[in-house]
Amino acid sequence: AQTVTQSQPEMSVQEAETVTLSCTYDTSENNYYLFWYKQPPSRQMILVIRQEAYKQQNATENRFSVNFQKAAKSFSLKISDSQLGDTAMYFCAFMSPYGGATNKLIFGTGTLLAVQP
Amino acid sequence: DTEVTQTPKHLVMGMTNKKSLKCEQHMGHRAMYWYKQKAKKPPELMFVYSYEKLSINESVPSRFSPECPNSSLLNLHLHALQPEDSALYLCASSHPRQGVEQYFGPGTRLTVT
Repeated sequence: AQTVTQSQPEMSVQEAETVTLSCTYDTSENNYYLFWYKQPPSRQMILVIRQEAYKQQNATENRFSVNFQKAAKSFSLKISDSQLGDTAMYFCAFMSPYGGATNKLIFGTGTLLAVQP
Repeated sequence: DTEVTQTPKHLVMGMTNKKSLKCEQHMGHRAMYWYKQKAKKPPELMFVYSYEKLSINESVPSRFSPECPNSSLLNLHLHALQPEDSALYLCASSHPRQGVEQYFGPGTRLTVT
C-alpha cells in the first residue's frame, strides 16, 4: 500500500523569503502522480502543483516549484518570495493512475506554514 | 471554470434530524467525491461516483447516504448523526480523460449537537 509522509507538522518563514516543505512517499509502482494542495484558513483545498512520475523535469507554477527525486521517493515543494497569502496547511498527495476515473488521493498529514510579516 | 460549489456553508443539526449537503460542478467532470475532514487532519475519502454510479464506499456508516442524480450534482443525505460526525465535508470532482486532478469545493462545516 502506498503511504505519504510529511515530517514537518509546522513551519514558519518570513515574508519574501524562500521555504521548502518536505514530502516522502512509498510505492512499488513506476508510474504515478504527485500533488501539492494548499488549504488556507478559509478552508478551500486548492491544487498548487502536480508532477507526473515519468517526467524528469520538475514542475513549476509561478513561485511554486518542486524537487522530485524519484529514486529517493522524495517530492519537496519550494515556495519563493513567500507572501502572507501563502499561510495555509499544505498537503502532499499521491495517486496511482491505474484506477480509472476513480483514482484515490492518498494524503500526507500536512504541514502548517505560517508566513510572518 | 474550475469551480465546485457546495451548500450550505455551515450546518448545525441535532442527532434526530435529517439534512442534506449539496455539491455542484459544471466542468463536465464525470467523477465526484465526498471527503470528511477533521481539524488539522487530511481529508478522508468517503464515497466516489463515476459516471453517476457509486464506485467506492469506504465503509462509511449507513447514516451517511450519497446520491448522484445527474452528472453535475452530488448530494450527501444525513440522518441520525453522532457528535463525532462533526467535521468539514468536502466535495471534489475530476475528469476521467482530461487529467487526474481533483478540484475541491469550499466545504460544508457540519456541527452535530
